[in-house]
Amino acid sequence: EVQVVESGGGLVQPGGSLRLSCAASGFMFSGYWMTWVRQAPGKGLEWVANIKQDGSEKDYVDSVKGRFTISRDNAKNSVHLQMNSLRAEDTAVYYCARRCSSGCIDYWGQGTLVTVSS
Amino acid sequence: DIQMTQSPSTLSASVGDRVTITCRASQSINSWLAWYQQKPGKAPKLLIYKASTLESGVPSRFSGSGSGTEFTLTISSLQPDDFATYYCQQYNSYSTFGQGSRVEIK
Repeated sequence: EVQVVESGGGLVQPGGSLRLSCAASGFMFSGYWMTWVRQAPGKGLEWVANIKQDGSEKDYVDSVKGRFTISRDNAKNSVHLQMNSLRAEDTAVYYCARRCSSGCIDYWGQGTLVTVSS
Repeated sequence: DIQMTQSPSTLSASVGDRVTITCRASQSINSWLAWYQQKPGKAPKLLIYKASTLESGVPSRFSGSGSGTEFTLTISSLQPDDFATYYCQQYNSYSTFGQGSRVEIK
């Protein structure tokens, strides 16, 4: 069974940092792109970042470029999102997910809440 | 950047109704479009990918069509479990979601 489990969310002050982690199981992790998607309270979905199977290619939404870094460890079947210089508008549930071979998203985690507030 | 616009934002319907949601892209995305269903407090669920391919396990009352810039999601006969919010996503160039369409009970 494919499983994706996020961790690391919490309350952080504006300007602070947080590192989200995602543990994957039930599939050949090294064979898939992975992605992070977020959802602000009461709002829609926003794609945040993608990472290629071997980590050689990373893409980000403009609003997080230079502040967030996506990485992965294929030996540990995990993907991470390092978030620096956090802003109130980064407050959201962050979902880790597996990308289909074509680019859709077929398996999602349950999400982890990040709250940026003083 | 490719923008995705869904309509309507909210739709009131009854069980058994045929429901159609539209998604328009700001430029051609070929058929690189997916549809998701999300219920409150839950992660989204993939329904359709490549504009019209039904994900395994998804009921056949869901269907998708379109290519280029205009796409539709149709639920042929709305069931109680279908009251939810639906999102389109383009993955032709990076990824963008529509703003969502909430299907509520009439």
